[in-house]
Amino acid sequence: QQQVKQSPQSLIVQKGGISIINCAYENTAFDYFPWYQQFPGKGPALLIAIRPDVSEKKEGRFTISFNKSAKQFSLHIMDSQPGDSATYFCAASSDSNYQLIWGAGTKLIIKP
Amino acid sequence: EAGVVQSPRYKIIEKKQPVAFWCNPISGHNTLYWYLQNLGQGPELLIRYENEEAVDDSQLPKDRFSAERLKGVDSTLKIQPAELGDSAVYLCASSFESGGTDTQYFGPGTRLTVL
Repeated sequence: QQQVKQSPQSLIVQKGGISIINCAYENTAFDYFPWYQQFPGKGPALLIAIRPDVSEKKEGRFTISFNKSAKQFSLHIMDSQPGDSATYFCAASSDSNYQLIWGAGTKLIIKP
Repeated sequence: EAGVVQSPRYKIIEKKQPVAFWCNPISGHNTLYWYLQNLGQGPELLIRYENEEAVDDSQLPKDRFSAERLKGVDSTLKIQPAELGDSAVYLCASSFESGGTDTQYFGPGTRLTVL
């Protein structure tokens, strides 16, 4: 019940295309859903996060879509650029529990 | 503002040898985390500190791993003796508070190779 399932494991998208990464969770106590971006040789960095009181959050080319009834959330990267090539992790936590539960990661490659 | 600093960045040791990793969190951040990250996987929490107190070390293999955070600032993670399976990236993160929704800021990690 603590797991966060992430898919796909890897993704190749043409430059200018839309990259979509999906995550699903079971624990209904989760109320915070961040996405982290990790470049090779670097630690993960917070990209964007959402609370379940909204169905969508947009920051620049990055959008989180959240479906509370389905217990799913996804990251959309519009106009994908080669510089977006990285590993993306979804995660979940709650105010009452400090621990971030991480997905397994998606390696995204944007082809020029 | 300086980010989370970790050293060394890379370490290669023979099995059964000891190794230590150092972390300096972002100034003012009370909570410090040590994670282990295997290739192609998400980070796995090893231990969490609130100031100098280890408030969750349930996932730390205490037979060979130890950690300390003296004075509630810098932290050291030690492995003694190291085993082949300990090869991984060890990440340190810090956050201002300890709530589940508080942003965690990660250092670049120490890549450990055990031969």
